Amino acid sequence: QSAPTQPRSVSGSPGQSVTISCTGTSNDVGGYNYVLWYQQYPGKAPKVMIYDVSKRPSGVPDRFSGSKSGNTASLTISGLQAEDEADYYCCSYADTLWVFGGGTKLTVL
Amino acid sequence: EVHLVESGGGLVQPGGSLRLSCVVSGFTFNNSWMGWVRQAPGKGLEWLANIKQDGSEKHYADSVKGQFTISRDNAKNSLYLQLHSLRVEDTAVYYCAKYSGIYYGLDYWGQGTLVTVSS
Repeated sequence: QSAPTQPRSVSGSPGQSVTISCTGTSNDVGGYNYVLWYQQYPGKAPKVMIYDVSKRPSGVPDRFSGSKSGNTASLTISGLQAEDEADYYCCSYADTLWVFGGGTKLTVL
Repeated sequence: EVHLVESGGGLVQPGGSLRLSCVVSGFTFNNSWMGWVRQAPGKGLEWLANIKQDGSEKHYADSVKGQFTISRDNAKNSLYLQLHSLRVEDTAVYYCAKYSGIYYGLDYWGQGTLVTVSS
């Protein structure tokens, strides 16, 4: 079980869009449409932002969107806001197990 | 409102054991898969284990298989994680979380309990 690869950090200015990638294998990200994205503020528990690759739980702004191509899932945040500055983790089902990506720190400039 | 409250963390010496507990409310515990995730200081999330509603099925990350044991008591709305043979690298915040009944994945998390392994 190796963790899907995410960029360690991304940044963008308010109003811009950023995309965070999550590259796994055919045994996890590429093999199932059970990819989630979590947002985590320092010292807080994670919050689910995307599930089933591209679906948003109620209450999550539609500025957050997800997609997948092959073994890579992506989270796009459009119209960046200061409050989006946080850590983001992808999470994928992997045949009875689950794996988290290494995490990406989003900085809003 | 869904609540998950972990307890049992603390300072333990290398080689020691600890039992973490998680008491839940606000949802039907015996209808939910449950899991544990940890986060070492300044590091990312690591999925550890999950358990089926009736406890009949359990799965573990390779990194903790044989070292940690997940269990539950549906009568007490409680989830547990028994930690054995602890190493310094097991130092982390341990989160209890529930699996969604609507989609595959963890939806609600507790605030975590800190386990520090140090001599």
